[in-house]
Amino acid sequence: EVQLVESGGGLVKPGGSLRLSCAASGFTFSSYSMNWVRQAPGKGLEWVSSISSSSSYIYYADSVKGRFTISRDNAKNSLYLQMNSLRAEDTAVYYCARLDIAAAGPGLDYWGQGTLVTVSS
Amino acid sequence: EIVLTQSPGTLSLSPGERATLSCRASQSVSSSYLAWYQQKPGQAPRLLIYGASSRATGIPDRFSGSGSGTDFTLTISRLEPEDFAVYYCQQYGSSRLTFGPGTKVDIK
Repeated sequence: EVQLVESGGGLVKPGGSLRLSCAASGFTFSSYSMNWVRQAPGKGLEWVSSISSSSSYIYYADSVKGRFTISRDNAKNSLYLQMNSLRAEDTAVYYCARLDIAAAGPGLDYWGQGTLVTVSS
Repeated sequence: EIVLTQSPGTLSLSPGERATLSCRASQSVSSSYLAWYQQKPGQAPRLLIYGASSRATGIPDRFSGSGSGTDFTLTISRLEPEDFAVYYCQQYGSSRLTFGPGTKVDIK
């Protein structure tokens, strides 16, 4: 069974840092691109960042570029998101999600349960 | 950057009725790169449709997707009680993802 379990969320002051983790199991982690997607309270989904299977390709949303860093450790089946210079508008539930590049097209086919990040003084 | 617009914002229907949700892109999207998700309160999103019209694993056949270019549609043929939720379209371009603002399907 595919499982994605996020951790590391919490309350942090503006300007602070936090590191999120996503532990993967039930599939060959090193074969898939992984993504972080966030959802502010009561709002829609916002893609944050993606990393290819071998970490060769990394992309960020403009809203987090220069402040967030995505990484992965295939030996540990883990995905990470280092968040620096946090702002109130970064408050959200952060989901990790697997990107499946199927023959018919890509989709985020498995999601974790999410971890809440609250940026507040 | 491609912007996705979804309509209506809220769709009020009764169980058994047909739901038609629209997703419009600001510029042409490859059909292969358009997906739909369902999200219920307190839950993570669930992939319903990828490649504009292919159902994800385990998705009932009352869900169908169609469209091309800039106009895409998610249709739920007969609403079941568990289908009342928020639905998001999403496009994948230049290795970046963009989500629409969502359509809430609620009980009339």
